[in-house]
Amino acid sequence: DVKVTQSSRYLVKRTGEKVFLECVQDMDHENMFWYRQDPGLGLRLIYFSYDVKMKEKGDIPEGYSVSREKKERFSLILESASTNQTSMYLCASSSRAGDPQETQYFGPGTRLLVL
Amino acid sequence: GDSVTQMEGPVTLSEEAFLTINCTYTATGYPSLFWYVQYPGEGLQLLLKATKADDKGSNKGFEATYRKETTSFHLEKGSVQVSDSAVYFCALSEGDSGGGADGLTFGKGTHLIIQP
Repeated sequence: DVKVTQSSRYLVKRTGEKVFLECVQDMDHENMFWYRQDPGLGLRLIYFSYDVKMKEKGDIPEGYSVSREKKERFSLILESASTNQTSMYLCASSSRAGDPQETQYFGPGTRLLVL
Repeated sequence: GDSVTQMEGPVTLSEEAFLTINCTYTATGYPSLFWYVQYPGEGLQLLLKATKADDKGSNKGFEATYRKETTSFHLEKGSVQVSDSAVYFCALSEGDSGGGADGLTFGKGTHLIIQP
């Protein structure tokens, strides 16, 4: 089975702290994604990556950055955490385009509280 | 831009009832359409998908048909179980990859509660 793991299930940080959320997938997937999930808003795409060292902005990249130094790992960085970044963060991965059976596989999520 | 609209929840049904969760979309091209399910405490799982008009996706007794003329992808199940209680998300992808390689646009989610 495909496994996408996230470094923490729950995280509490203070305003202004630098926060790292880590995601690792074990299926040699090329594509990786970061979403945030908020009540009443559903999931919104923050950043995604098609390959090592490549990144693309999603719908709401402001206040975030990402790093993909290795194929299996995709990190989301909050440079200076703010209270409006309190949310559930979901990582996903998928295989390359062209495979009709491909889908995105999601991790269990990290619930971040910024005080 | 693209958008997905799905019915507000929570939706509460009795076991063995018929389920419909409505989903409509707005897209510039010909998107692929998906239903994802999120069980309590877990990440999202793909439930079913359809990549072109008139396709029907099905899985675990759930079905949805891609209706281009009404821009809809309604989720249905003939007889729900308590174990179907979860949050259901309708989503689309504009890319031509079938959805895996592109970011997804999600609806807000519908919380389904099935009572014994």
